[in-house]
Amino acid sequence: EIVLTQSPATLSLSPGERATLSCRASQSVSSYLAWYQQKPGQAPRLLIYDASSRATGIPARFSGSGSGTDFTLTISSLEPEDFAVYYCQQRRNWPPLTFGGGTKVEIK
Amino acid sequence: QVQLQESGPGLVKPSETLSLTCAVSGYSISSDSYWGWIRQPPGKGLEWIGSIYHSGSTYYNPSLKSRVTISLDTPKNQFSLKLSSVTAADTAVYFCARRYCSSATCYENWFDPWGQGTLVTVSS
Repeated sequence: EIVLTQSPATLSLSPGERATLSCRASQSVSSYLAWYQQKPGQAPRLLIYDASSRATGIPARFSGSGSGTDFTLTISSLEPEDFAVYYCQQRRNWPPLTFGGGTKVEIK
Repeated sequence: QVQLQESGPGLVKPSETLSLTCAVSGYSISSDSYWGWIRQPPGKGLEWIGSIYHSGSTYYNPSLKSRVTISLDTPKNQFSLKLSSVTAADTAVYFCARRYCSSATCYENWFDPWGQGTLVTVSS
């Protein structure tokens, strides 16, 4: 099973700042990595798939990069609605599909 | 626009079977499609339970495989989840989801949209 480790667990930033979130895989997942955003009481929403492709309707301030075992989600300038929990997910080796433990982006 | 809605008992007794359905609107599940169940214990992360193709082929998380059944109900345009021999560790919000489709193609195992989720508590 591929383990995804996200860091940091919590990121405290102000609106307008840049957010950089990390996801590390226990073995190579090539580019088969996605990022989801989840707000309290809501379902996750797909932001990025295949490491760097934005899903339909996702603003350009969200970008993904990386391949192999190290991946980054960058939010170029935080908007108030971006404060949420972010999860990475791999589909390279499955079953099982696996998710990271999440990074909470909170208002500083 | 595809919409999904989970439903089922919010309270299940230990050792019993958890049964949920996911009603789909805006899309026929008998069409080329792929669906999944994912759960989230309160305050914790996401865990993939399993998935099903429109053909009925299923894939399960090995950690749950002996207890899980996912099936399609094509006439009702819904799919279901059954999890047997539940314990308190199965208490979670259960989400259903469809594979993500861009304007160009569809991708198994990237999920979007999701249902709103339903909380199932296992307790006597």
